[in-house]
Amino acid sequence: KAGVTQTPRYLIKTRGQQVTLSCSPISGHRSVSWYQQTPGQGLQFLFEYFSETQRNKGNFPGRFSGRQFSNSRSEMNVSTLELGDSALYLCASSSSAHRRNGTGTYEQYFGPGTRLTVT
Amino acid sequence: EDQVTQSPEALRLQEGESSSLNCSYTVSGLRGLFWYRQDPGKGPEFLFTLYSAGEEKEKERLKATLTKKESFLHITAPKPEDSATYLCAVQASAGYSTLTFGKGTMLLVSP
Repeated sequence: KAGVTQTPRYLIKTRGQQVTLSCSPISGHRSVSWYQQTPGQGLQFLFEYFSETQRNKGNFPGRFSGRQFSNSRSEMNVSTLELGDSALYLCASSSSAHRRNGTGTYEQYFGPGTRLTVT
Repeated sequence: EDQVTQSPEALRLQEGESSSLNCSYTVSGLRGLFWYRQDPGKGPEFLFTLYSAGEEKEKERLKATLTKKESFLHITAPKPEDSATYLCAVQASAGYSTLTFGKGTMLLVSP
């Protein structure tokens, strides 16, 4: 079974520009989460999508947005890039054991990440 | 707010020298605790999920244990290829909870 794929792998942008990153989850996985990883802050949660709906959102400004398509592929967008947005952006997919009461325990499987450098 | 603290930040071992990594957590009801391994420039690789205190899981030279406040990742007779950053994360039991990660322990095993 193919793993999580992310494109592009590397990206260089200048301040003020916008960027779109793409993630294809493991086949059959309906949940996609996005994380930002920096040396100082570690892995920080951005948002999670499940069946095309944003189910959770982290503490990031509105410049960070995302969406999920009907085939579970997801994109995240960062507008008006700042130098501090330079990071490794990771996508993770999960089967997200979904129960009526909203509970579930699931492992997340990560892609290789997109290294974004803002100059 | 859920919190995860990992120690030490970095650990240097000789090949064959066993040790343990610590993950202390505070969470409002634990649904699961996860261990990942991350190599430089790559995404984290899933290792284990632990659900309740007293649970243990093993994989090759790695063994993860869980108490009500912390988890340990024991590395027995490590090899240079075990060198990586090990990440711990928790998931709270409330709703559609996300994962909260610690900052990791960077392990270097010298031959």
